Amino acid sequence: EDQVTQSPEALRLQEGESSSLNCSYTVSGLRGLFWYRQDPGKGPEFLFTLYSAGEEKEKERLKATLTKKESFLHITAPKPEDSATYLCAVQATAAGNKLTFGGGTRVLVKP
Amino acid sequence: NAGVTQTPKFRILKIGQSMTLQCTQDMNHNYMYWYRQDPGMGLKLIYYSVGAGITDKGEVPNGYNVSRSTTEDFPLRLELAAPSQTSVYFCASRNPGQGNYGYTFGSGTRLTVV
Repeated sequence: EDQVTQSPEALRLQEGESSSLNCSYTVSGLRGLFWYRQDPGKGPEFLFTLYSAGEEKEKERLKATLTKKESFLHITAPKPEDSATYLCAVQATAAGNKLTFGGGTRVLVKP
Repeated sequence: NAGVTQTPKFRILKIGQSMTLQCTQDMNHNYMYWYRQDPGMGLKLIYYSVGAGITDKGEVPNGYNVSRSTTEDFPLRLELAAPSQTSVYFCASRNPGQGNYGYTFGSGTRLTVV
C-alpha cells in the first residue's frame, strides 16, 4: 500500500527564517511526486511535480528536491504570505491516475 | 476561464438526508476526481472518472455514488447521510496530456451532518 508521511505537522517561522518540510513515501514504483499549497477555505494549488531522484524544482522562495525515499520542500527567507498548508502526494506506477496524499504541514510565518 | 466550480460551498444535513454535490469544469479535462479532507488526515479519494460514462471507486467510496454523463460534470451523491461524512469535499480535474500531471482543484464544499 502506498503511504505518504509529512513532517512536521505544524511549523512556526519568523519572517526570513529558512526551513524545510519533509515528505517521506513508500510506493511500489514512483511515477511522480507532487507538492501543493492550500490556503484556508480553498482547494489545493499545484506547485511542483518531481519524477526522479536528484531532481529539483524552484519557484520563488520554494525549492523542492527528491530522493528515493523522501522529498523536501525548502522555504528560503519566508514571508508572511508563504503561510499555508503544504501537501505532498505521490502517484504510483501501479495506481493508474490516482494520487495518495500526506497529511500536510501547516506553516505560519510571523512578521 | 472558471476552472473547477463546486456548489454549494457550505451545507448542513440531518442524519438520513440525501444531497448531491455539484462539480463542473470548463477545461475539457477527461479525468475528474472527488476527494474528502478531514483535519490532519490529508485527502482521501472517493471516486474518480477517466471520461464520460466511466467511473471507478477510490479508497473510501462507501456511502457515496457518482455519475459522469458529460465531460464537464461529475456530481457526487450522498445517500442517507451519516455524521462520519462530515468533511470538506474537493473535486479535481486534469488532462492526461499535461506533462506535469497537476490537478486543478475546486474551492470545496464544507458539509456537516448533524
